[in-house]
Amino acid sequence: GAVVSQHPSRVICKSGTSVKIECRSLDFQATTMFWYRQFPKKSLMLMATSNEGSKATYEQGVEKDKFLINHASLTLSTLTVTSAHPEDSSFYICSASLVAGEQDTQYFGPGTRLTVL
Amino acid sequence: AQSVTQLDSQVPVFEEAPVELRCNYSSSVSVYLFWYVQYPNQGLQLLLKYLSGSTLVKGINGFEAEFNKSQTSFHLRKPSVHISDTAEYFCAVSGGSNYKLTFGKGTLLTVNP
Repeated sequence: GAVVSQHPSRVICKSGTSVKIECRSLDFQATTMFWYRQFPKKSLMLMATSNEGSKATYEQGVEKDKFLINHASLTLSTLTVTSAHPEDSSFYICSASLVAGEQDTQYFGPGTRLTVL
Repeated sequence: AQSVTQLDSQVPVFEEAPVELRCNYSSSVSVYLFWYVQYPNQGLQLLLKYLSGSTLVKGINGFEAEFNKSQTSFHLRKPSVHISDTAEYFCAVSGGSNYKLTFGKGTLLTVNP
């Protein structure tokens, strides 16, 4: 149980285009999902916390107009990188928290490798 | 505010040797503690967690960790490692009601034959 998927696993795009990444909890409902960014050989940096049906809460220094987050249902959150530039190239990972039973446990997706040319 | 310190950035060991990956934390509230493993180009997999109860926590793949409140530590151990345990290991802490995780910088465990 507690499986989280991400799509796509890898994307290459041209500078100036927008890219959408999907995060799905496959076998549980998640009121809260999180989006992280990971640079090579670095730890995870929390970008934003996404709650179903409400606006995402962004961490300091993360541009909300650049990284659009939508949490439309209890099993799906999307991250759209708008007008992507090479410096946005990174490994993006989402996680989802179980609604009940096992509080405070985040289950992570497999990640999406974004390369902006 | 919370913080996590993983004292070793890299730990090389030989196969079948025991290993301990160290983690210390600081927090002003009661904490939940986690260890995650990340294989190359993959997401994080939960190894084990401490929420409450017994301070010795057993996880997957033969790993265990002990929560020590007085020393604010949550070290990860395995009595005999395999080549397949080679990966990056992250210690993380959360506290309060917002489920935010604070990660350490990670420890690269390399198991050599």
